Amino acid sequence: DGGITQSPKYLFRKEGQNVTLSCEQNLNHDAMYWYRQDPGQGLRLIYYSQIVNDFQKGDIAEGYSVSREKKESFPLTVTSAQKNPTAFYLCASSAKLNTEAFFGQGTRLTVV
Amino acid sequence: KQEVTQIPAALSVPEGENLVLNCSFTDSAIYNLQWFRQDPGKGLTSLLLIQSSQREQTSGRLNASLDKSSGRSTLYIAASQPGDSATYLCAVRATNNLFFGTGTRLTVIP
Repeated sequence: DGGITQSPKYLFRKEGQNVTLSCEQNLNHDAMYWYRQDPGQGLRLIYYSQIVNDFQKGDIAEGYSVSREKKESFPLTVTSAQKNPTAFYLCASSAKLNTEAFFGQGTRLTVV
Repeated sequence: KQEVTQIPAALSVPEGENLVLNCSFTDSAIYNLQWFRQDPGKGLTSLLLIQSSQREQTSGRLNASLDKSSGRSTLYIAASQPGDSATYLCAVRATNNLFFGTGTRLTVIP
């Protein structure tokens, strides 16, 4: 099955911990993205990557980090510097930067 | 900065009714516009993509239109079914970002 796989589905973080969210795609897409969704707000872009070993900050990058060592993978680390990390995180990919976007099933992160 | 607005925020209709969801955006310099469906606690499913040079796209009971000059798009759903109940999101592609509206929550009553 072709698609985007995010794991885990649910994640709990203690105060002061870093956590990493996984995103893998087998669509052979060049571009990958991370979005954050909060109740009552539209999705907001955290980071995006046009190609392997390259990534750019989005609108709300503070407190987050990413890597793009392989075309298929774009993990997101939520660091302790992110003051309000509880949210629903969505990973997406597209063939090229401005083409149709496809999304994974999301990871819900909760700070406990 | 691009702003995307979706009206209404919520809509309830009886099964079988035709309906229209609205999306407006402030900057007409877009590459394309995408409509998504989101079920509770799930990711986004792409429904239709309209390129900036196109006026409309159709897929089954769905038809999306785009008027770039006026900054508007509509999603028409024909003969609605209870399975259509979900939140529908509109997103416009500009520069390197997809700008999202907050969605319309649709409930189709059997």
